[in-house]
This record gives sequence, structure tokens and C-alpha cells, in this order.
Amino acid sequence: QSALTQPPSASGSPGQSVTISCTGTSSDIGTYNYVSWYQQHPGKAPKLMIYEVSKWPSGVPDRFSGSKSGNTASLTVSGLQAEDEADYYCSSYAGSSTWVFGGGTKLTVL
Amino acid sequence: EVQLLESGGGLVQPGGSLRLSCAASGFTFSNYGMSWVRQAPGKGLEWVSSISGSHSRAFYADSVKGRFTVSRDNSKNTLYMQMISLRAEDTALYYCAKFSGDYWGWGVDYLGQGTLVTVSS
Repeated sequence: QSALTQPPSASGSPGQSVTISCTGTSSDIGTYNYVSWYQQHPGKAPKLMIYEVSKWPSGVPDRFSGSKSGNTASLTVSGLQAEDEADYYCSSYAGSSTWVFGGGTKLTVL
Repeated sequence: EVQLLESGGGLVQPGGSLRLSCAASGFTFSNYGMSWVRQAPGKGLEWVSSISGSHSRAFYADSVKGRFTVSRDNSKNTLYMQMISLRAEDTALYYCAKFSGDYWGWGVDYLGQGTLVTVSS
């Protein structure tokens, strides 16, 4: 049950695109398409942004997109806006009814 | 609207016990698996435990196995977690989380605001 690996920080200017990676293993991301991404603003509960690698929950703008290749999943935020500044966490099913999260990435909008 | 309201957190000494509760509303509670996810101060999220909706099958992270027990009362729409033999490293904000299906679906779709557990002498 090792945590997924995310870069501690990422940044971009308004209007630009930024991609956050999430690296797991063949036991989690590499096997299952149950990868989710969560956005957390300071002092707030995490909010689901992407599920099943690349699907959007209702109400999430399509500026947020997800993908996966091998053992690595990615979240891309296009057309960066000030309100996108937050912490982002990935999560994956890891088999045998267990789940694993990433360490989180702090996204800064310059 | 899905609402998850945690309670029961507080300050406890190492080796002590605590029981967390999560009152759920806005969905048919018995149809969904539930989970506890924690976040230590300044750290990332960590999956702690899960319990299925209809059969109450429970699963745990290795870090809490044998010390934490998750349960649910579908008649009261409430999720619980009994924590014993608490350690300093259990200090965290504990979130109640709802899965998208009975046996997890594709994962967690909602989290509550959390309840803070502090283990310190």
C-alpha cells in the first residue's frame, strides 16, 4: 500500500496549460482504470474532478482532463484560472478492496 | 445533495481510544460503500478503511489493521470507526467518504469536511 508519486508542486500562468503526473505501479494504476483526481482548496474538503481516468463529474469544467499511460496517470488543466490554484490528489484502486492516494501536488497560478 | 457530517474527533493520549461517527444524507445510504480517509497535518491523503453497503464487509490499510474497526448502521444512515491503541502518527483530519457503488464502484465521489483527531500526551 505505497502512496502514488506526485510532484510536490506545479505552476503556470493564467491561460496556460499545466500537467500533473501521478506514478503508481503495475498493481494499481497499471492494472485498473479506476483513477480519480481531487481538488482541495485550503481548509476545504477534497472535491472530485476526474474519475475513471478521464471522465468528468457533473459541474466540473472540461478545462480539466485526465489520461493514463502504463503506470502513470496525468491531470491536465487548460486555460489556467486563478481559482484553479489548489492542491491536487490522485487516487487509484489497488486491488483486494484497497485504495491508494498520491502525496498531492500544489498548483500555483502565477 | 450528498452530505457527510463527521463527529467524534478530539485530543486523546497515546494508547487511548476514540470513536468517530459520520451522519450521511442525500442518498440511499445502504446502497453505497463508505470509507474513512485521513490527512495528517501538512501531508497528503491516506486511505484508512472501507465498508461495503449491503453486506458490511470491511477492509483496512496495513497501518491501522487490528487497531481500527469500521462499522455502519444502515437504519441510522451512520458510519462509524472505533479506534484503539492510538499513536502519535494517527494524528490527522479524518474524512468520511462515499463510494460511487456498493463495492466501491469506480471510487470515492464525495468527502465530508472532516473531524480532527490529535494523539498527544
